[in-house]
Amino acid sequence: DAGITQSPRHKVTETGTPVTLRCHQTENHRYMYWYRQDPGHGLRLIHYSYGVKDTDKGEVSDGYSVSRSKTEDFLLTLESATSSQTSVYFCAATGTSGGEGFFGPGTRLTVL
Amino acid sequence: DQQVKQNSPSLSVQEGRISILNCDYTNSMFDYFLWYKKYPAEGPTFLISISSIKDKNEDGRFTVFLNKSAKHLSLHIVPSQPGDSAVYFCAAIAMWGYGGSQGNLIFGKGTKLSVKP
Repeated sequence: DAGITQSPRHKVTETGTPVTLRCHQTENHRYMYWYRQDPGHGLRLIHYSYGVKDTDKGEVSDGYSVSRSKTEDFLLTLESATSSQTSVYFCAATGTSGGEGFFGPGTRLTVL
Repeated sequence: DQQVKQNSPSLSVQEGRISILNCDYTNSMFDYFLWYKKYPAEGPTFLISISSIKDKNEDGRFTVFLNKSAKHLSLHIVPSQPGDSAVYFCAAIAMWGYGGSQGNLIFGKGTKLSVKP
């Protein structure tokens, strides 16, 4: 897993509340990603970062924002959680070679 | 519009035989193609990758073949083992910018492989 951790691992929250998920890596990888995994959809990219303070939108970015103030941390924020954001969220990181990438263990988020 | 497609949601293979998982892509700017294996309740695990300048990469029982003219790659597992049963994801990345999206790592929907004893 190349030292990628996610917190929290599980969270239950209510509709309308803000939620922040944290991804932390120890390998100094340049690129970091947030995905969500839902049945029938595989892994869909939410946002990604190609450097400190450099981020871009992915396929399903609506309702999410990210921040990367340090190389090792990539935060995903649900500004006002909705039930459609109930999912398993994975963080990933890759180096500049692009030849391999590593995932965190996932965060299971339930929005009631 | 799916840039990376895995058209077979599932595949069943007998132990000891070859498993072939397929993946198609649409963007000729991808620099690397990666395969991941995922067990339930775990994060995806990197398996093997191939650079766009190569047509084959081998690592033990796993071989990835790339056909750039057809925009197609495949993962061969031989011999298949029951422990290989998992969901396999194909992914692609353009490191140096595709419409400004450098480093965008895009996944297919996955193929569930079942290896029967």
